[in-house]
Amino acid sequence: QSALTQPASVSGSPGQSITISCTGTTSDIGGSNSVSWYQQHPGKAPKLMIFDVSRRPSGVSDRFSGSKSGSTASLTISGLQAEDEATYYCSSYKNPGSRVFGGGTRLTVL
Amino acid sequence: QVQLVESGGGVVQPGRSLRLSCGASGFSFSSYAMHWVRQAPGKGLEWVALILYDGSIEYYADSVKGRFTISRDNSRNTLYLQMNSLRGEDTAMYYCVRHSTPYCGGDCNWGTFDHWGQGTLATVSS
Repeated sequence: QSALTQPASVSGSPGQSITISCTGTTSDIGGSNSVSWYQQHPGKAPKLMIFDVSRRPSGVSDRFSGSKSGSTASLTISGLQAEDEATYYCSSYKNPGSRVFGGGTRLTVL
Repeated sequence: QVQLVESGGGVVQPGRSLRLSCGASGFSFSSYAMHWVRQAPGKGLEWVALILYDGSIEYYADSVKGRFTISRDNSRNTLYLQMNSLRGEDTAMYYCVRHSTPYCGGDCNWGTFDHWGQGTLATVSS
Protein backbone atom coordinates (compact mmCIF):
# COMPACT_ATOMS: atom_id res chain seq x y z
CA GLN A 1 0.00 0.00 0.00
CA SER A 2 1.60 3.27 -1.12
CA ALA A 3 1.75 6.19 1.26
CA LEU A 4 -0.14 9.39 0.70
CA THR A 5 2.06 12.33 -0.33
CA GLN A 6 2.71 15.15 2.12
CA PRO A 7 5.36 17.88 2.11
CA ALA A 8 8.24 16.97 4.39
CA SER A 9 8.15 20.28 6.22
CA VAL A 10 6.31 23.56 6.55
CA SER A 11 6.92 26.57 8.76
CA GLY A 12 5.16 29.69 9.90
CA SER A 13 5.38 32.47 12.43
CA PRO A 14 3.14 32.74 15.48
CA GLY A 15 -0.28 34.07 14.53
CA GLN A 16 0.05 33.09 10.89
CA SER A 17 -1.86 30.36 9.06
CA ILE A 18 -0.38 27.34 7.32
CA THR A 19 -1.84 24.61 5.14
CA ILE A 20 -0.55 21.06 4.77
CA SER A 21 -1.59 19.09 1.71
CA CYS A 22 -2.06 15.34 1.41
CA THR A 23 -2.36 13.82 -2.06
CA GLY A 24 -3.68 10.38 -2.80
CA THR A 25 -5.61 8.59 -5.51
CA THR A 26 -9.17 7.67 -6.38
CA SER A 27 -8.65 4.45 -4.38
CA ASP A 28 -8.17 6.34 -1.14
CA ILE A 29 -8.77 10.07 -0.60
CA GLY A 30 -10.59 10.52 -3.89
CA GLY A 31 -13.03 7.73 -3.11
CA SER A 32 -13.57 8.16 0.61
CA ASN A 33 -14.65 10.75 3.15
CA SER A 34 -12.85 8.79 5.86
CA VAL A 35 -9.89 11.18 5.81
CA SER A 36 -8.21 12.12 9.08
CA TRP A 37 -5.32 14.15 10.45
CA TYR A 38 -3.09 13.37 13.43
CA GLN A 39 -0.67 15.45 15.46
CA GLN A 40 2.39 13.80 16.96
CA HIS A 41 4.84 15.42 19.34
CA PRO A 42 8.26 13.75 19.79
CA GLY A 43 8.08 10.65 21.94
CA LYS A 44 4.29 10.76 22.13
CA ALA A 45 1.47 8.82 20.54
CA PRO A 46 -0.44 10.45 17.67
CA LYS A 47 -3.53 12.48 18.52
CA LEU A 48 -6.61 12.73 16.32
CA MET A 49 -7.17 16.32 15.17
CA ILE A 50 -9.58 16.04 12.22
CA PHE A 51 -11.81 13.17 11.04
CA ASP A 52 -14.31 12.66 8.23
CA VAL A 53 -12.39 15.28 6.19
CA SER A 54 -13.41 18.30 8.26
CA ARG A 55 -14.85 17.32 11.65
CA ARG A 56 -13.06 18.11 14.90
CA PRO A 57 -13.13 15.82 17.93
CA SER A 58 -14.26 17.33 21.17
CA GLY A 59 -11.44 19.31 22.76
CA VAL A 60 -9.54 20.13 19.57
CA SER A 61 -9.12 23.84 18.93
CA ASP A 62 -11.19 25.41 16.15
CA ARG A 63 -7.91 26.80 14.81
CA PHE A 64 -7.60 23.40 13.11
CA SER A 65 -9.70 22.78 10.00
CA GLY A 66 -9.76 20.25 7.19
CA SER A 67 -10.98 20.09 3.62
CA LYS A 68 -10.79 17.91 0.53
CA SER A 69 -10.84 18.47 -3.21
CA GLY A 70 -10.69 15.46 -5.47
CA SER A 71 -7.82 13.26 -4.28
CA THR A 72 -6.13 15.95 -2.19
CA ALA A 73 -6.94 16.69 1.43
CA SER A 74 -5.70 19.71 3.35
CA LEU A 75 -5.17 20.66 6.97
CA THR A 76 -5.14 24.35 7.86
CA ILE A 77 -3.91 25.69 11.17
CA SER A 78 -4.75 29.32 11.83
CA GLY A 79 -3.31 31.57 14.51
CA LEU A 80 -0.18 29.44 14.84
CA GLN A 81 1.02 28.84 18.38
CA ALA A 82 4.29 27.43 19.68
CA GLU A 83 2.56 24.26 20.91
CA ASP A 84 1.43 23.49 17.37
CA GLU A 85 5.02 22.57 16.49
CA ALA A 86 4.80 18.84 15.79
CA THR A 87 4.61 16.32 12.96
CA TYR A 88 1.24 15.98 11.23
CA TYR A 89 0.02 12.87 9.42
CA CYS A 90 -2.95 12.41 7.14
CA SER A 91 -4.67 9.07 6.71
CA SER A 92 -7.43 7.64 4.56
CA TYR A 93 -9.45 4.50 4.12
CA LYS A 94 -8.10 2.64 1.09
CA ASN A 95 -10.29 0.27 -0.83
CA PRO A 96 -10.48 -2.59 -0.06
CA GLY A 97 -10.16 -3.04 3.64
CA SER A 98 -6.99 -1.13 4.47
CA ARG A 99 -5.74 2.22 5.62
CA VAL A 100 -2.92 4.39 4.39
CA PHE A 101 -0.95 7.22 5.96
CA GLY A 102 0.97 10.12 4.55
CA GLY A 103 4.70 10.31 5.16
CA GLY A 104 4.28 13.12 7.71
CA THR A 105 4.89 16.87 7.68
CA ARG A 106 7.07 18.52 10.30
CA LEU A 107 5.66 21.90 11.29
CA THR A 108 8.11 24.46 12.64
CA VAL A 109 6.81 27.56 14.40
CA LEU A 110 9.45 30.21 13.81
CA GLN B 1 -11.79 7.52 29.96
CA VAL B 2 -10.50 5.30 27.18
CA GLN B 3 -7.23 3.59 28.05
CA LEU B 4 -5.15 1.30 25.86
CA VAL B 5 -2.00 -0.25 27.33
CA GLU B 6 0.34 -2.24 25.12
CA SER B 7 2.85 -4.81 26.33
CA GLY B 8 5.01 -7.62 25.03
CA GLY B 9 7.63 -5.70 23.09
CA GLY B 10 11.31 -6.48 23.35
CA VAL B 11 14.39 -7.58 21.43
CA VAL B 12 14.07 -10.67 19.25
CA GLN B 13 16.28 -12.28 16.62
CA PRO B 14 15.30 -12.31 12.93
CA GLY B 15 13.06 -15.24 12.08
CA ARG B 16 11.70 -15.54 15.61
CA SER B 17 8.27 -14.65 17.00
CA LEU B 18 6.80 -12.10 19.37
CA ARG B 19 3.29 -11.62 20.74
CA LEU B 20 2.02 -8.18 21.61
CA SER B 21 -0.94 -7.52 23.88
CA CYS B 22 -3.15 -4.50 24.45
CA GLY B 23 -5.37 -4.16 27.49
CA ALA B 24 -8.41 -1.93 27.02
CA SER B 25 -10.51 -0.11 29.61
CA GLY B 26 -12.93 2.79 29.89
CA PHE B 27 -15.18 1.71 27.04
CA SER B 28 -17.13 -1.28 25.76
CA PHE B 29 -14.24 -3.12 24.12
CA SER B 30 -16.48 -5.74 22.50
CA SER B 31 -18.31 -3.01 20.56
CA TYR B 32 -15.33 -1.61 18.67
CA ALA B 33 -13.06 -2.76 15.89
CA MET B 34 -9.39 -2.41 16.73
CA HIS B 35 -6.21 -1.71 14.77
CA TRP B 36 -2.46 -2.11 15.15
CA VAL B 37 -0.39 0.74 13.71
CA ARG B 38 3.42 0.80 13.78
CA GLN B 39 6.15 3.39 13.48
CA ALA B 40 9.75 2.53 12.70
CA PRO B 41 12.33 4.67 14.54
CA GLY B 42 12.42 8.13 13.00
CA LYS B 43 9.87 7.16 10.35
CA GLY B 44 6.18 7.67 9.65
CA LEU B 45 3.10 5.73 10.63
CA GLU B 46 2.14 2.46 8.95
CA TRP B 47 -1.20 0.70 9.36
CA VAL B 48 -0.67 -2.99 10.16
CA ALA B 49 -3.98 -4.75 10.79
CA LEU B 50 -7.67 -4.43 11.66
CA ILE B 51 -10.03 -6.81 13.44
CA LEU B 52 -13.79 -6.33 13.63
CA TYR B 53 -15.55 -5.90 16.98
CA ASP B 54 -16.57 -9.56 17.14
CA GLY B 55 -13.33 -10.94 15.73
CA SER B 56 -15.12 -12.26 12.65
CA ILE B 57 -12.95 -10.57 10.01
CA GLU B 58 -9.34 -9.43 9.87
CA TYR B 59 -7.46 -7.25 7.39
CA TYR B 60 -3.69 -6.89 6.97
CA ALA B 61 -1.16 -4.67 5.28
CA ASP B 62 0.65 -6.43 2.44
CA SER B 63 3.94 -6.04 4.33
CA VAL B 64 2.79 -8.36 7.15
CA LYS B 65 0.22 -10.60 5.47
CA GLY B 66 0.94 -14.27 6.14
CA ARG B 67 3.35 -13.47 9.01
CA PHE B 68 1.24 -11.50 11.50
CA THR B 69 -2.09 -12.43 13.07
CA ILE B 70 -4.40 -10.02 14.86
CA SER B 71 -6.84 -11.47 17.39
CA ARG B 72 -8.91 -10.44 20.38
CA ASP B 73 -10.43 -11.82 23.56
CA ASN B 74 -13.53 -9.78 24.34
CA SER B 75 -13.98 -11.54 27.68
CA ARG B 76 -10.58 -10.22 28.75
CA ASN B 77 -10.81 -6.82 26.97
CA THR B 78 -7.54 -7.63 25.25
CA LEU B 79 -6.19 -7.27 21.71
CA TYR B 80 -3.24 -9.29 20.42
CA LEU B 81 -0.75 -9.25 17.59
CA GLN B 82 1.14 -12.46 16.93
CA MET B 83 4.24 -11.65 14.89
CA ASN B 84 6.08 -14.55 13.24
CA SER B 85 9.08 -14.76 10.90
CA LEU B 86 10.21 -11.36 12.08
CA ARG B 87 12.51 -9.21 9.96
CA GLY B 88 14.67 -6.19 10.67
CA GLU B 89 12.16 -3.96 8.93
CA ASP B 90 9.53 -4.97 11.50
CA THR B 91 11.46 -3.02 14.15
CA ALA B 92 9.02 -0.36 15.30
CA MET B 93 6.85 1.07 18.02
CA TYR B 94 3.55 -0.79 17.81
CA TYR B 95 0.41 1.13 18.74
CA CYS B 96 -2.93 -0.36 19.69
CA VAL B 97 -5.66 1.89 18.27
CA ARG B 98 -9.43 1.97 18.63
CA HIS B 99 -11.66 2.37 15.57
CA SER B 100 -14.03 5.28 16.11
CA THR B 101 -17.27 3.71 14.88
CA PRO B 102 -18.90 1.04 17.10
CA TYR B 103 -20.21 -2.13 15.46
CA CYS B 104 -18.73 -1.25 12.07
CA GLY B 105 -19.21 -4.02 9.56
CA GLY B 106 -17.64 -5.09 6.32
CA ASP B 107 -14.20 -3.49 6.21
CA CYS B 108 -15.12 -0.56 8.47
CA ASN B 109 -14.80 1.84 5.58
CA TRP B 110 -16.24 4.59 7.73
CA GLY B 111 -14.52 5.98 10.81
CA THR B 112 -10.96 6.50 11.90
CA PHE B 113 -8.32 5.87 14.59
CA ASP B 114 -9.68 7.80 17.55
CA HIS B 115 -7.79 6.56 20.62
CA TRP B 116 -4.16 5.41 20.71
CA GLY B 117 -2.12 3.57 23.30
CA GLN B 118 1.39 4.71 24.21
CA GLY B 119 2.97 1.90 22.21
CA THR B 120 5.33 -0.99 22.80
CA LEU B 121 8.71 -1.23 21.07
CA ALA B 122 9.64 -4.37 19.16
CA THR B 123 13.25 -4.60 18.02
CA VAL B 124 14.35 -7.29 15.59
CA SER B 125 18.10 -7.70 15.71
CA SER B 126 20.71 -10.43 15.88
